[in-house]
Amino acid sequence: DTGVSQDPRHKITKRGQNVTFRCDPISEHNRLYWYRQTLGQGPEFLTYFQNEAQLEKSRLLSDRFSAERPKGSFSTLEIQRTEQGDSAMYLCASSLAGTGGAVGTDTQYFGPGTRLTVL
Amino acid sequence: AQSVAQPEDQVNVAEGNPLTVKCTYSVSGNPYLFWYVQYPNRGLQFLLKYITGDNLVKGSYGFEAEFNKSQTSFHLKKPSALVSDSALYFCAVRDKGGGSQGNLIFGKGTKLSVKP
Repeated sequence: DTGVSQDPRHKITKRGQNVTFRCDPISEHNRLYWYRQTLGQGPEFLTYFQNEAQLEKSRLLSDRFSAERPKGSFSTLEIQRTEQGDSAMYLCASSLAGTGGAVGTDTQYFGPGTRLTVL
Repeated sequence: AQSVAQPEDQVNVAEGNPLTVKCTYSVSGNPYLFWYVQYPNRGLQFLLKYITGDNLVKGSYGFEAEFNKSQTSFHLKKPSALVSDSALYFCAVRDKGGGSQGNLIFGKGTKLSVKP
């Protein structure tokens, strides 16, 4: 399967613990996005990378959240000192932003998500 | 600010009947609009997008969407619904405000239920 993959698929942790999620994008894609989805809501943007550069962060991304994309390949999202309000599905998406199309026209392809439960 | 509204939480359709899932948007400038489908415990699957050109966009699994600039709508349609179409559908617009060029802004989703 050459789609976007995420690991783990499920994570249960206790409040106050740190967790880290991994996303492997489609191999030739240069953009990578993180979203958070809570029950009954659409996904909400957290941050995105173009290659290894983190170009934008949402105000939802508190200081306890950090994301990296070393070497412009896979990405990790870490949540420190988890809170119960962090319980959600964390989705990763990737896209190929080329030079031919206008900005924002690239299609984002999503992974299966990591479901986080904070007890 | 860019926004998307899906006015129906749930749409119920009989198998074989046409279906419509509604979406309206509010953007500055030309909108880039997307539809995704989500099956239980799975990520979002891309269905189709409108960037420019023909107002009727054809996508995966027999779905299509009609862009209407005057009504600021981008309704998802299918001529004949299948039970397997039952899922959660999300409309999204590309955020081009405040210098953002990347992220999608999603509606709350519409649950489609197709009965045999």
